[in-house]
Amino acid sequence: EPEVTQTPSHQVTQMGQEVILRCVPISNHLYFYWYRQILGQKVEFLVSFYNNEISEKSEIFDDQFSVERPDGSNFTLKIRSTKLEDSAMYFCASSLNEQYFGPGTRLTVT
Amino acid sequence: LAKTTQPISMDSYEGQEVNITCSHNNIATNDYITWYQQFPSQGPRFIIQGYKTKVTNEVASLFIPADRKSSTLSLPRVSLSDTAVYYCLVGGPNSGNTPLVFGKGTRLSVIA
Repeated sequence: EPEVTQTPSHQVTQMGQEVILRCVPISNHLYFYWYRQILGQKVEFLVSFYNNEISEKSEIFDDQFSVERPDGSNFTLKIRSTKLEDSAMYFCASSLNEQYFGPGTRLTVT
Repeated sequence: LAKTTQPISMDSYEGQEVNITCSHNNIATNDYITWYQQFPSQGPRFIIQGYKTKVTNEVASLFIPADRKSSTLSLPRVSLSDTAVYYCLVGGPNSGNTPLVFGKGTRLSVIA
């Protein structure tokens, strides 16, 4: 069964550093998403991407965040200058009908 | 978006049937009900979706009464591996192209 993959599985970075989280969506999917889940809290929507542009974003997705689909397979989330409160699990999802989630990247900002 | 309410947690023994009920009093005419499952340190996984009456697949059944103000996810004969958080979501029919709004879910613990 096709699946969404994410790398790295765990990223540790210092406050103020830039990080790029990578995702490979399922190949024939058209819609792409990033969500995050702070430890012990709800899964929160960050941004959706369709037809090579952002289709919707939440209040969390401020100027420090950006997304890119640099080629036909990868979908990345960049955080320009990480803050302690960015520590969370970040999930990528892709969809045609229902959304399929990746295993997540655990980001730890120290 | 219709607000959903579900129990925070449930416990069950292995082999029992588990029913998790979700209330969604303000569900709109076009809304569907979708359930996701999340294991620890993993992303949510689609389980089942329905509009009315009953839907069944290889994993679960979903019961929706005529007024659609609630729904019940039924897991037959649970095993330890069914220990997870279960989320009830209400929204448009094509959940693939709209952001999902997760609540706190129901934490199911299956005991041997």
